[in-house]
Amino acid sequence: GAVVSQHPSWVICKSGTSVKIECRSLDFQATTMFWYRQFPKQSLMLMATSNEGSKATYEQGVEKDKFLINHASLTLSTLTVTSAHPEDSSFYICSARTTATGELFFGEGSRLTVL
Amino acid sequence: AQSVTQLGSHVSVSEGALVLLRCNYSSSVPPYLFWYVQYPNQGLQLLLKYTTGATLVKGINGFEAEFKKSETSFHLTKPSAHMSDAAEYFCAVSGLLNTGNQFYFGTGTSLTVIP
Repeated sequence: GAVVSQHPSWVICKSGTSVKIECRSLDFQATTMFWYRQFPKQSLMLMATSNEGSKATYEQGVEKDKFLINHASLTLSTLTVTSAHPEDSSFYICSARTTATGELFFGEGSRLTVL
Repeated sequence: AQSVTQLGSHVSVSEGALVLLRCNYSSSVPPYLFWYVQYPNQGLQLLLKYTTGATLVKGINGFEAEFKKSETSFHLTKPSAHMSDAAEYFCAVSGLLNTGNQFYFGTGTSLTVIP
């Protein structure tokens, strides 16, 4: 199957700093990527839909100024958590939709810990 | 609109026993249905999917699921559980597999395999 890579897998940062997470589709083009947040023992919560070359569409309740999403190319989307606080600590997962089949493939996830 | 209900947030089975994870969906359009598996601190991996055609679909690791339109169900089964099957399982539904449609996830079922 198609491969989606997320980086970094783990990140620890101080409160007030910004953290960038990358999501890359390695062997296919993805005009649409999705960013999810997952709390322990819970399902995935869709944060935003990222479309290449246009602004991301955020789900209700997700602060767009807090979680900056950029989808500059057909293979890369980035999520930047700005001025991170401990409550932003979570597992963030991206997924990419193949333009060929519409299937969704997931990255390995990035665990953010804000001290 | 689409939604997914996974009955039973935790399921425990003995090694070698039948695995049955339940998923019911709601969809106003012909559904595309998926099962994903998530191991700790990892992203989601596609187990199997139903799009069209045969209603009994076989996936990886010996899992299979049957689409039953009359029951609006897509239950996941495996004849004989293995220790390595212990993980979190998510059922998902989507409309047409174009870039505009989201995937809607169930709340997940945690599978424990008892030796």
